[in-house]
Amino acid sequence: GQNIDQPTEMTATEGAIVQINCTYQTSGFNGLFWYQQHAGEAPTFLSYNVLDGLEEKGRFSSFLSRSKGYSYLLLKELQMKDSASYLCAVRAGTALIFGKGTTLSVSS
Amino acid sequence: DTEVTQTPKHLVMGMTNKKSLKCEQHMGHRAMYWYKQKAKKPPELMFVYSYEKLSINESVPSRFSPECPNSSLLNLHLHALQPEDSALYLCASSPEGSNQPQHFGDGTRLSIL
Repeated sequence: GQNIDQPTEMTATEGAIVQINCTYQTSGFNGLFWYQQHAGEAPTFLSYNVLDGLEEKGRFSSFLSRSKGYSYLLLKELQMKDSASYLCAVRAGTALIFGKGTTLSVSS
Repeated sequence: DTEVTQTPKHLVMGMTNKKSLKCEQHMGHRAMYWYKQKAKKPPELMFVYSYEKLSINESVPSRFSPECPNSSLLNLHLHALQPEDSALYLCASSPEGSNQPQHFGDGTRLSIL
């Protein structure tokens, strides 16, 4: 079966650092994607990991451990506009399987 | 604005109506997707087209009928929908290759009366 777990909700304050974890058990693995989705808008691509290790992109970093079936998205210097849903998605074959998403609320 | 364009943005239809959702991309992507997203839930894959051929149908009811007229266009024909089909319908496209991200359109918000 396919199972992707992430926390439902997280809160943080402006300027802080937050880590959103994702664990997965899927039949097949061709990479892990993180997307950001603001309410009422399309998901937008943030990062991609297929090999173990850390990928850094500005304020956002993503980490993958394939042996542990584990990834995290690290957001630094949080801004109010980072309040959104963060979706972890595993590519298994052609299909992209999404986790339920983590709603991040950033307060001042 | 996204590079994947979906029309209409909103659609209200009765259970006996026939309507179509349209999706267009001009990025040269050869894979196109339809997803359904309910409120506070992740997108659920419905269909995948690869090189204009249907490659995945995730056991979607026949009242949803996809069509890919050419490499830039993807349609979703709707007929005899149920109230539970009310959702945000997202189109996405990607280049071929498993490391390529999918680019999503803004979606069509569909309400079935």
